[in-house]
Order: sequence, then structure tokens, then C-alpha cells
Amino acid sequence: DTEVTQTPKHLVMGMTNKKSLKCEQHMGHRAMYWYKQKAKKPPELMFVYSYEKLSINESVPSRFSPECPNSSLLNLHLHALQPEDSALYLCASSQLHLAVVTDTQYFGPGTRLTVL
Amino acid sequence: TQLLEQSPQFLSIQEGENLTVYCNSSSVFSSLQWYRQEPGEGPVLLVTVVTGGEVKKLKRLTFQFGDARKDSSLHITAAQPGDTGLYLCAGGREYGNKLVFGAGTILRVKS
Repeated sequence: DTEVTQTPKHLVMGMTNKKSLKCEQHMGHRAMYWYKQKAKKPPELMFVYSYEKLSINESVPSRFSPECPNSSLLNLHLHALQPEDSALYLCASSQLHLAVVTDTQYFGPGTRLTVL
Repeated sequence: TQLLEQSPQFLSIQEGENLTVYCNSSSVFSSLQWYRQEPGEGPVLLVTVVTGGEVKKLKRLTFQFGDARKDSSLHITAAQPGDTGLYLCAGGREYGNKLVFGAGTILRVKS
């Protein structure tokens, strides 16, 4: 099973709202990722959690706040977003086994976010 | 900065035709992953190649990793409308978990 689940599937929010995106995997993976993707473009990395600790923040604005409550869950808290933040937000996970040279990432179906 | 140049950017072909998508870099990658993505959905992993010169086949799709692990290709034989989508290549670094993505190839197969 290589399934990563994300909720909600779609989200519409105003610029003053606070909302959260959720991601879950039960593959025992120890790395989890948030990506932002605009239409017909490749995903852009936002955050990486390794062993539940934030290991990479790609200079993402503070209106995006990630959280990793445990090894299976990843959240992205949203506050005071701008219309240009509208995009498909993807979660991914990978095994992160140091003995493995390559670390294949498996993506969830994404959350389509629209900021009005 | 490691870059992956993916080509072509767009491809519109008739059902039954063959096509090849290329990913090239001046840098060495420890692995190369290919994904296919449909609009509004997440990328679905097609294959991971890790050995220089490796060739993997997945039904009508053939993936190749260059001998020097700097380039990769995806060949589709007898394309079908169901192959339509965005194809992404992504390079991985040794013991790292940050992928370098190509710009993507939008494939449209017309029936």
C-alpha cells in the first residue's frame, strides 16, 4: 500500500480565515513533505519533516505553518492567505531509511485551495 | 544549483503514435523518478531508476537512465488517450530527500 491521503479535497477561504490542511500516511514513512503546485507547473517544495522534526523550510511565508503531530500525520495551518496562494497543495511521504540510496516520494491527491 | 531540463514542454499526438520525453542535466543524480499527473490530482509514481544504463519497462512505457546518471528518457509506444496528462521527471540526491523536478511535459493523445 502506497497511499497518502489528504483532506479536504477542495477548500475555499477568505483572506481573514484560518484553516488547516491534513495529510496522513500509514506506510511507516519517516519523511513527510508539503508542496505547492500551480497549474501545469511542477510541484514546489515548501516544507520537509524528518522523524517528526522540521528539516527543510524553503523560505515559506509565515502565513503557512506546518505541524507534524506524529509520524503518520502532517498538517498545514493557513492564516491570512493572499489570492496568489491559490494552488494545489500536495503532501508526500518517503521512507527515509539512511541505508537506502534513493528515497522515492509518494504523493497524495492534493487539496485544491482557492483564496478569495 | 542542480537543474533538470525536460523536453518537449508540450506534445499533442494521435492515438497509436510513439513518443519520447527527455530529462537532461549536467549534474549526477542518485535516482530518477517519473510521475504522471492528471488535472486536479496528485502525481502518481510510474518508476524509479537508480543504476546507470538501467532500462525499465511498464507495459507500453520504457524508461531509461543514462550511463552517467545525468539523463533519462520515457518512451511510450502506441499512445492511447488514457496516457494524456502531465509527465514529471524528478532527480534525487544520494541520502537526501529533496527532489529536483523537471518543468514537466503536457501530453495530449487524441483519438
